[in-house]
Amino acid sequence: NAGVTQTPKFQVLKTGQSMTLQCAQDMNHEYMSWYRQDPGMGLRLIHYSVGAGITDQGEVPNGYNVSRSTTEDFPLRLLSAAPSQTSVYFCASSYGPQGSSGNTIYFGEGSWLTVV
Amino acid sequence: GIQVEQSPPDLILQEGANSTLRCNFSDSVNNLQWFHQNPWGQLINLFYIPSGTKQNGRLSATTVATERYSLLYISSSQTTDSGVYFCAGDMDSNYQLIWGAGTKLIIKP
Repeated sequence: NAGVTQTPKFQVLKTGQSMTLQCAQDMNHEYMSWYRQDPGMGLRLIHYSVGAGITDQGEVPNGYNVSRSTTEDFPLRLLSAAPSQTSVYFCASSYGPQGSSGNTIYFGEGSWLTVV
Repeated sequence: GIQVEQSPPDLILQEGANSTLRCNFSDSVNNLQWFHQNPWGQLINLFYIPSGTKQNGRLSATTVATERYSLLYISSSQTTDSGVYFCAGDMDSNYQLIWGAGTKLIIKP
């Protein structure tokens, strides 16, 4: 019963490098999303997906790409890392829309990313 | 833009105490939810509470949508209640949650 699995848990990048944060869920959820959490703040939505092949931008999408080729996987790509992208990243999934009734949101354990 | 304000920002209590956490919204909110983030970073969804009152064990939540606020009550606090409590709502019925900055709760044994 894995739930939502994120990798890696910790990563240090140099400015300008690219990387992919992996997210997988085994609950057959249609809705998946990526959030970032900066110190002393709540989560901010980066990108989300309502099903395989369908993605859309959230509140803070710049500098990030996503794709959803399968129901299970929703990777987040940092194209050219910047120090402003130092943050904790959370992947989340739910059966239905993540603001709606009855659709409990399940979160991964977080990925701590530092860009130097 | 829409503002989500949580108070107090920090709260330190002894085990067994009761507490009330508040969430204010600057505009009408849909689909208000409460979350708990434990000291190790794990997030869990506590309540979906767009209006009215719900209870789950020692925790209960009340939302007064017409007055744009929600309250989270924790009774008989335990050390495992420590962490950060967030409220979040969807402002435009687009299911994109806007989060408050959280209330950091520390329960001392």
